[in-house]
Amino acid sequence: AQSVTQLDSQVPVFEEAPVELRCNYSSSVSVYLFWYVQYPNQGLQLLLKYLSGSTLVKGINGFEAEFNKSQTSFHLRKPSVHISDTAEYFCAVSPSFSGGYNKLIFGAGTRLAVHP
Amino acid sequence: DGGITQSPKYLFRKEGQNVTLSCEQNLNHDAMYWYRQDPGQGLRLIYYSQIVNDFQKGDIAEGYSVSREKKESFPLTVTSAQKNPTAFYLCASSKSGGSYEQYFGPGTRLTVT
Repeated sequence: AQSVTQLDSQVPVFEEAPVELRCNYSSSVSVYLFWYVQYPNQGLQLLLKYLSGSTLVKGINGFEAEFNKSQTSFHLRKPSVHISDTAEYFCAVSPSFSGGYNKLIFGAGTRLAVHP
Repeated sequence: DGGITQSPKYLFRKEGQNVTLSCEQNLNHDAMYWYRQDPGQGLRLIYYSQIVNDFQKGDIAEGYSVSREKKESFPLTVTSAQKNPTAFYLCASSKSGGSYEQYFGPGTRLTVT
């Protein structure tokens, strides 16, 4: 079985400051890793994903994440945040051998609040 | 534009009534999913379907039912047996295979009083 832990439920940060949202996972099999963003009262949108290869993954809106296999982590970073980045961010994993569908296991989410 | 639509955006029902949430996709995806979202708990999988006329229970299927008669449609019925139905419900779809991301609809917020 897989599990995902997002280490911070809320992260306040000032505009133009850097931010890191932390994600750790547990799995006995190899996994794919995802970060999604959810703006208030909306669905989720994919920010980036790691399948294989380079451990540094770049996504939309200037976000990037680094896969660390030894620490089973997939932290999300942005060098300079904007007010518009205020949202909830979800880390998710999917077993790489799950058959014909994508079995996503989500973390509880991290609420990023960007202040002027 | 391809995407997923959910209707209605907000839904109010009295306790004891069944209610059906709509989910339609025009992405030509084989797999579809229903999630329930509660504050501070992330998303929990209710049901998923890999192909037409087939669906499987997720982690919290009790009190819910689904059908998949068409590739494009995956409606969710919240029955009166669901003890705590008030929540935000999200529908998603994906291509077959674990490497493909899920695409989400805008969600339906159900309030039962």
